[in-house]
Amino acid sequence: KAGVTQTPRYLIKTRGQQVTLSCSPISGHRSVSWYQQTPGQGLQFLFEYFSETQRNKGNFPGRFSGRQFSNSRSEMNVSTLELGDSALYLCASSLGLEGYGYTFGSGTRLTVV
Amino acid sequence: DQQVKQNSPSLSVQEGRISILNCDYTNSMFDYFLWYKKYPAEGPTFLISISSIKDKNEDGRFTVFLNKSAKHLSLHIVPSQPGDSAVYFCAASLNTGNQFYFGTGTSLTVIP
Repeated sequence: KAGVTQTPRYLIKTRGQQVTLSCSPISGHRSVSWYQQTPGQGLQFLFEYFSETQRNKGNFPGRFSGRQFSNSRSEMNVSTLELGDSALYLCASSLGLEGYGYTFGSGTRLTVV
Repeated sequence: DQQVKQNSPSLSVQEGRISILNCDYTNSMFDYFLWYKKYPAEGPTFLISISSIKDKNEDGRFTVFLNKSAKHLSLHIVPSQPGDSAVYFCAASLNTGNQFYFGTGTSLTVIP
């Protein structure tokens, strides 16, 4: 079955702009989580959506937001981009049951200039 | 505040030898732990997990050990193969949902 699909793969934006990233989970997976990966920081949890509701949220400013649609696809939006937002953004899907690991997408590489 | 730490950013091992990757955590409430492997330009892939009720879990060449009193887990790869060269992340979660706390990763190089 198809894996987790993230689009676009690469993105270059200017400071102050906003950006929307997309994630299509594995069919049947109802949980979608977003992570930010930067050198030296590992993967930092942004938020998790389950059945269109935000279930968990990490310690990121309100400029970072997300949503999930009825087909479980998810989008992440970052407004008023800052240089420090340059990172690899990873989306992961799971069945949403406790103890289940994630399947990650290949990520979207965002560069803010 | 990094609740899951991987203090070795890199590790080099000869092919056929054992690779030991270490991970420490600070939150004693964590009760589920996973290891992920990541190749460049790909997302992390799940490798092996362990629940806090166990102290060891094996899957082929991969074994994860958990020492709850020391808040330490390790991943052993025996024998190491060149294809194992990747960045390895450990992750931990509280049993309240699917939020995982990841370490910063250890880059493993297996030398042929």
